[in-house]
Amino acid sequence: GAVVSQHPSRVICKSGTSVKIECRSLDFQATTMFWYRQFPKQSLMLMATSNEGSKATYEQGVEKDKFLINHASLTLSTLTVTSAHPEDSSFYICSAREPDRVALGYTFGSGTRLTVV
Amino acid sequence: GQNIDQPTEMTATEGAIVQINCTYQTSGFNGLFWYQQHAGEAPTFLSYNVLDGLEEKGRFSSFLSRSKGYSYLLLKELQMKDSASYLCAVGDSNYQLIWGAGTKLIIKP
Repeated sequence: GAVVSQHPSRVICKSGTSVKIECRSLDFQATTMFWYRQFPKQSLMLMATSNEGSKATYEQGVEKDKFLINHASLTLSTLTVTSAHPEDSSFYICSAREPDRVALGYTFGSGTRLTVV
Repeated sequence: GQNIDQPTEMTATEGAIVQINCTYQTSGFNGLFWYQQHAGEAPTFLSYNVLDGLEEKGRFSSFLSRSKGYSYLLLKELQMKDSASYLCAVGDSNYQLIWGAGTKLIIKP
């Protein structure tokens, strides 16, 4: 089945620094990937839709200059949290689905626990 | 607007059956998904319904009624490991998932 690999699984960074999170589709090509954020005891919140070869589409209220998304190939999307602050501490998850195979659902990466100190 | 409703929390007993309901109002419909999420982990896919009726997969079954905007996830022979959050999501006209807030299921011995 489809596998999505996400790295790193955990990261601790200092305020003001930037953190890059990678999301790779291992055995399929994903023209579209999704980036979510999840705060404790809350549901998934879609941050942006990442489209290969074009600019990402950001949800309302998500700062595109702070959360930089690059989808340079059909198997890799990256999310960079720039100038991180403690309030950016959260669980970030990417997902993708195999084109034309909707019934298989959307496969999620294992998530990245970001802690900004 | 788009809206998905499911109960916040449910409690059931090991070995019993539990039904988690989900109602939705979305712009367009391209299937309804159920996901399981254990604390601190990413969601895992459970089921997909695009036509009315019941889909059975082992101990888990999912039902859909498009005319009523309603689905349920049925879990049988509950095990302690089934304690998790269950997320209902609907694919809209752009195949983007609209997520419910999730139902936290607590299994008691």
